[in-house]
Amino acid sequence: ETGVTQTPRHLVMGMTNKKSLKCEQHLGHNAMYWYKQSAKKPLELMFVYSLEERVENNSVPSRFSPECPNSSHLFLHLHTLQPEDSALYLCASSQVTGVEKLFFGSGTQLSVL
Amino acid sequence: AQSVTQPDIHITVSEGASLELRCNYSYGATPYLFWYVQSPGQGLQLLLKYFSGDTLVQGIKGFEAEFKRSQSSFNLRKPSVHWSDAAEYFCAVGARSNDYKLSFGAGTTVTVRA
Repeated sequence: ETGVTQTPRHLVMGMTNKKSLKCEQHLGHNAMYWYKQSAKKPLELMFVYSLEERVENNSVPSRFSPECPNSSHLFLHLHTLQPEDSALYLCASSQVTGVEKLFFGSGTQLSVL
Repeated sequence: AQSVTQPDIHITVSEGASLELRCNYSYGATPYLFWYVQSPGQGLQLLLKYFSGDTLVQGIKGFEAEFKRSQSSFNLRKPSVHWSDAAEYFCAVGARSNDYKLSFGAGTTVTVRA
C-alpha cells in the first residue's frame, strides 16, 4: 500500500449534483496533487499544494474546487460537472514539492451522467 | 515545455519472454525521466528514475531502463516477463527534480499470455 488513500473508489453523479473527493496521505509528505486520467490520454496535472498552499492551478475549470485543510488531507469539490469530466481522478503526494518520487492513491472513478 | 511519446499503445508478450517498452521525450536540456506502472484498479507506482550518472538504471520488479541522449529515448526492459507484469506503463519527464510539472505519456498496456 502506498500510504495514499482515496475515497470514494467509484462515484456516479448527475450534472447538477455537488460531491467531493477525498484524499488522505499517511506518509508525512508536504506536497499533494490532483491528476485527471482519461482513457489513453496522458495524465493531466490539475492542482498542486505545497505546505497547504496552492502552487499550481493548471487551467482547471472552476467547477473543480480543491481544498487542502492540512498537509495530510486534500479534497476536490465537484459541482455542475459535464459528461466529459468522467475520468479517474488520482491523488498523489511527495515529500517535498517536486517530481522526484510521487506516491499515488488508487483513484476515484468518476462517471458524470 | 517537455513532452513524452509512447509509440506503442498495446503490447502482448508471452510469459517468460523479454519485454521492451519505448519512450521518446522532447526537452532541450537534461531531463529527469521516470517509468511508472499502474496495475488494474491501482494508482501509479514508481518503477525507476534517471536523474544523472549511469545511463542504465535498475528498478524494482526486475525492470531496467536505458537513457540514450542521442535518440531522446528512455526505453524500459525486462528480460523475462511474469504474468503479474500485466499492467499499464507510463513514461514521464520532468525539467528538474524540484519541478512538480511532470509530463506523462499516454501509456502502454502490456498483456501477458500464458
